[in-house]
Order: sequence, then structure tokens, then C-alpha cells
Amino acid sequence: DGGITQSPKYLFRKEGQNVTLSCEQNLNHDAMYWYRQDPGQGLRLIYYSQIVNDFQKGDIAEGYSVSREKKESFPLTVTSAQKNPTAFYLCASSTTGWPGELFFGEGSRLTVL
Amino acid sequence: GENVEQHPSTLSVQEGDSAVIKCTYSDSASNYFPWYKQELGKRPQLIIDIRSNVGEKKDQRIAVTLNKTAKHFSLHITETQPEDSAVYFCAASFPGGTSYGKLTFGQGTILTVHP
Repeated sequence: DGGITQSPKYLFRKEGQNVTLSCEQNLNHDAMYWYRQDPGQGLRLIYYSQIVNDFQKGDIAEGYSVSREKKESFPLTVTSAQKNPTAFYLCASSTTGWPGELFFGEGSRLTVL
Repeated sequence: GENVEQHPSTLSVQEGDSAVIKCTYSDSASNYFPWYKQELGKRPQLIIDIRSNVGEKKDQRIAVTLNKTAKHFSLHITETQPEDSAVYFCAASFPGGTSYGKLTFGQGTILTVHP
């Protein structure tokens, strides 16, 4: 069954700790994205990657890092430098030939205690 | 960069009424405008999109209109049903350079359809 899988669904973190959110897709899509969703602020782009071993900063990249070592995987690390990390994080992918439909994962909710 | 403003933030209608959500964008180079629907606890999904060479597009009860001169586009839902209740996001995108494949989303509209 093709799709995008994010894990974990819920995550709690203490202040000062880094945490990594997983995103895996089996849709054979080239492009992958990380968005942050906060109430009343829509979806804001953190990082995106069009091909393996390459990625670009989005609008709110500070305090986050990513890697794209495999086509299927695009993990996001929320570092201790992110001042307000509590949020809902959505991963998405799309085919080449922009514009194209974004296929989203079910999201990961991060809470910093 | 691109900026997308979406209104209203909440919209409440009676079943059977029409609903209209409006978005404005700042970059005249933007040429692709999708709408995503996110039901409670679920992932956003594309419901309709329009490109800048088209003024209107319909798909059953939903339609999108685009006014390039005024830089705004709207989602129209007719004969609303309770299952239309969700958060709706508009977005805008322009091609080229490092912005290839980058969508800028509006703030979202919470639509509630009362039976």
C-alpha cells in the first residue's frame, strides 16, 4: 500500500534535547518536504528536497536540520536551538514536473515539556 | 518571497448553503494555486487546483476562481454537507530557481457545516 509514513505520531521531549522525526515514502517521489502546522498560521515550510543528497531551507529553517541520503527517507531533527518546537509536523512528497500534488503523511505531534 | 492571506479564519454555514473562502497572494509570478482540505485528525489532501492560464475550474460541488489582475483566488462550495466540515488551506507557487516546488500556504479556514 503506497504512501507516506511518519513516526512517531506523538513525541514528548525535554527542553535542551534534540529529537528526530522520521518520514518514509514508497511512492517513488523525488521531492520531499517538511511543514510545521500551528493554529491560525497554516502550513509553514521548514525544509525541502528535490533530489537525493540535496535540500533547501524553507521559510522557518532555524533550529531544524534534515538529511536526504535515500530517495525514500527525509528525516527532520528538531534541535535544542529551536525556541518554540511544540507543534504538529507534516511530511509530504511530490512527483517531479512541478507543479504537482503534495501527498502528506499523518503527521507527528511534538510536545516539549 | 510569496505571501498568501486567507479569509475568513472561521466560517459557519447551514447544510445546503454555499461557502466561499478567499485568498490573496503577493507575487505576480505565482502561477499555480491549489486548495487542500484537512479533516479533523487527518492529513491534508488536494481537492482542486488551478493554473494561471485558467480563470475558473469546477469539480462537482466545488469550484475555484482566479483573478490574476487583482491577485486573488477563491474556493466555492455549493450545497454544503456536514462532511465538508474541515480546515481548508489555499496555497500559491511560482516556478524556477531555488523556489522550484515550493508552495506557500494561507493560514487556513475552519469550515463548519451545521445539519
